[in-house]
Amino acid sequence: DAGVTQSPTHLIKTRGQQVTLRCSPKSGHDTVSWYQQALGQGPQFIFQYYEEEERQRGNFPDRFSGHQFPNYSSELNVNALLLGDSALYLCASSWKTGSSYEQYFGPGTRLTVT
Amino acid sequence: GENVEQHPSTLSVQEGDSAVIKCTYSDSASNYFPWYKQELGKRPQLIIDIRSNVGEKKDQRIAVTLNKTAKHFSLHITETQPEDSAVYFCAASLPRTDKLIFGTGTRLQVFP
Repeated sequence: DAGVTQSPTHLIKTRGQQVTLRCSPKSGHDTVSWYQQALGQGPQFIFQYYEEEERQRGNFPDRFSGHQFPNYSSELNVNALLLGDSALYLCASSWKTGSSYEQYFGPGTRLTVT
Repeated sequence: GENVEQHPSTLSVQEGDSAVIKCTYSDSASNYFPWYKQELGKRPQLIIDIRSNVGEKKDQRIAVTLNKTAKHFSLHITETQPEDSAVYFCAASLPRTDKLIFGTGTRLQVFP
């Protein structure tokens, strides 16, 4: 049973560029949430996707957008990158249909903006 | 909005001692409280959770207690081992949402 997977592992981008991060949820899970974890901080909620729609959103600007595919995998897109976007980006999957609370995290993508 | 405070930020204990980490949440409607362990360079791993209809939950050396009146919940680790060394995060979420609000983390060091 595969857990949550993310790609790529590491990424280096320049200010102003755009980036796409990918996430495959744990088998049987239908919901994907994205979090940003700055160094030394707790994860901050970006948004959540369920049934291919954004269901909830945290306090992040419109530069952050996402998508969920019919197979429940998800992408996070960040436009016009800023130095402050450097962080570990985590996705977490859960099973909303089953009314389960548990969220399981992927290994994350380390984004460095120079 | 919902806010979660976590203390202490660092905690050092001798192997075999107990460790306690405390969190306070702001929204009394919060109903789910997970704890995650994150080792350096790795993903957060769910170690234990508790729902608002339960006051205490145990899993071997780990226990979580919840005081809804005071809006406090705590993680208790007994008989600590060096492999317990990591950063621990508490979190809270509201009903009908999977949005987790995390505390700022506690770095636990267990010395042999």
